[in-house]
Amino acid sequence: KQEVTQIPAALSVPEGENLVLNCSFTDSAIYNLQWFRQDPGKGLTSLLLIQSSQREQTSGRLNASLDKSSGRSTLYIAASQPGDSATYLCAVNGGGFKTIFGAGTRLFVKA
Amino acid sequence: ETGVTQSPTHLIKTRGQQVTLRCSSQSGHNTVSWYQQALGQGPQFIFQYYREEENGRGNFPPRFSGLQFPNYSSELNVNALELDDSALYLCASSFGGLTSGELFFGEGSRLTVL
Repeated sequence: KQEVTQIPAALSVPEGENLVLNCSFTDSAIYNLQWFRQDPGKGLTSLLLIQSSQREQTSGRLNASLDKSSGRSTLYIAASQPGDSATYLCAVNGGGFKTIFGAGTRLFVKA
Repeated sequence: ETGVTQSPTHLIKTRGQQVTLRCSSQSGHNTVSWYQQALGQGPQFIFQYYREEENGRGNFPPRFSGLQFPNYSSELNVNALELDDSALYLCASSFGGLTSGELFFGEGSRLTVL
């Protein structure tokens, strides 16, 4: 049974800092992994999708890596801004109909 | 390109009532998945619809049911509401059925059960 864990649960950083959010999963047989952003009370916004054959994906200040053998993914945010404050969720799809989510990391960027 | 839209955005029901939530999938997408998100937790998979049939279900009782229509829009129905059903219900659309591609979510329907 796939389990997804995100550490830390919450993180507070000063503006401008580079930061890394972590996601670990127990079953390395994945189809893809997706990172999302969620603002309070809102839906999920897709940030990056990494297919199982890929090692990383980049979009603007965001870079996501995937290491299936160790069951880990990281989301790197460069030069953080107050507008980056949100909850970040990772989600793992094992090739079937179900996508398993972590509980998220709540990020607060101080101006 | 039209994104995923959900309605209603907020609703309040009492225990034992029934509720229907609606979702219009993103243009070009043929697969709809529903998720329940309790406060402070990650979304939990309820079920997925592809070609108007349920092709996968999470650990939710039969009182959670759904439909997908020929235009790929979908409904989530919950009967005999319980207090624990209070949550944000999220709809996600994708393309590909069983081999799920990138998921795109709507803004959700916030259900409060009193």
